[in-house]
Amino acid sequence: EAGVAQSPRYKIIEKRQSVAFWCNPISGHATLYWYQQILGQGPKLLIQFQNNGVVDDSQLPKDRFSAERLKGVDSTLKIQPAKLEDSAVYLCASSSTRGQGTDTQYFGPGTRLTVL
Amino acid sequence: QQPVQSPQAVILREGEDAVINCSSSKALYSVHWYRQKHGEAPVFLMILLKGGEQMRHEKISASFNEKKQQSSLYLTASQLSYSGTYFCGTEYAGTYKYIFGTGTRLKVLA
Repeated sequence: EAGVAQSPRYKIIEKRQSVAFWCNPISGHATLYWYQQILGQGPKLLIQFQNNGVVDDSQLPKDRFSAERLKGVDSTLKIQPAKLEDSAVYLCASSSTRGQGTDTQYFGPGTRLTVL
Repeated sequence: QQPVQSPQAVILREGEDAVINCSSSKALYSVHWYRQKHGEAPVFLMILLKGGEQMRHEKISASFNEKKQQSSLYLTASQLSYSGTYFCGTEYAGTYKYIFGTGTRLKVLA
C-alpha cells in the first residue's frame, strides 16, 4: 500500500512570496490533515478535511493560508504572502475515518519550508 | 490547550527503562503515541481509548489514567532505535479536536 505522498520536499522562498504544497493521501482515506511543525515543537493542526469538506480550520491563519481538497482526494495548501515565521515543516496526514479516536493517522514525509 | 509531556528530555543507556507522561487539563477520549526521528515524519505507535486496556507495541507499552487525564508511555529495555522525539496526540471528549503534546526527546546511548 502506497503511503501519503507530498511535494515538494523542500522549498526556499523570500518573504512576501507565495508557495503551494501538494498532498496525495492513502487511497480510500476520507480524512486528510495539514499540520505545521516548527522546529522543536509538536505538529499543530492547521486544517482537517472529511472528504472534500472542512471539519476544523480553527488554527489556520486564513488571512494568508488557504487549503482545498477537490474531489475528496488530493489537497493543496497555499501560503500567500509568506512571512518569516512560516518557516516550518508542513506535514500531511490521512486516516480512514474522521477522528473517531480509533483512527491511525499516517503521515507523509513533509515539506520543509524556509522563508528568507 | 496543548497537553504537557514530561520529562522534556531524557538520556538512557541501552537496556534501561523510561517513562514518558502526557497530561491534559481537559477530559480525554483517546491518546495516540508517536515517535518522530530527526528529519522524518511521526510514526504511529499505539492508541489508547478511554476505558480501554493498556496497549503494547514490542517492548513499549502505554496506559491511560482517566482520573488524572494522563497517559504514560513505558519503554523497557531500551534499544538504540528508540531514540527520537515522542509525541502524544490527544482527542478531547465530546469533540473531534486533535492536539499534539509538547514532545519528549529521548536519546539512547550504547
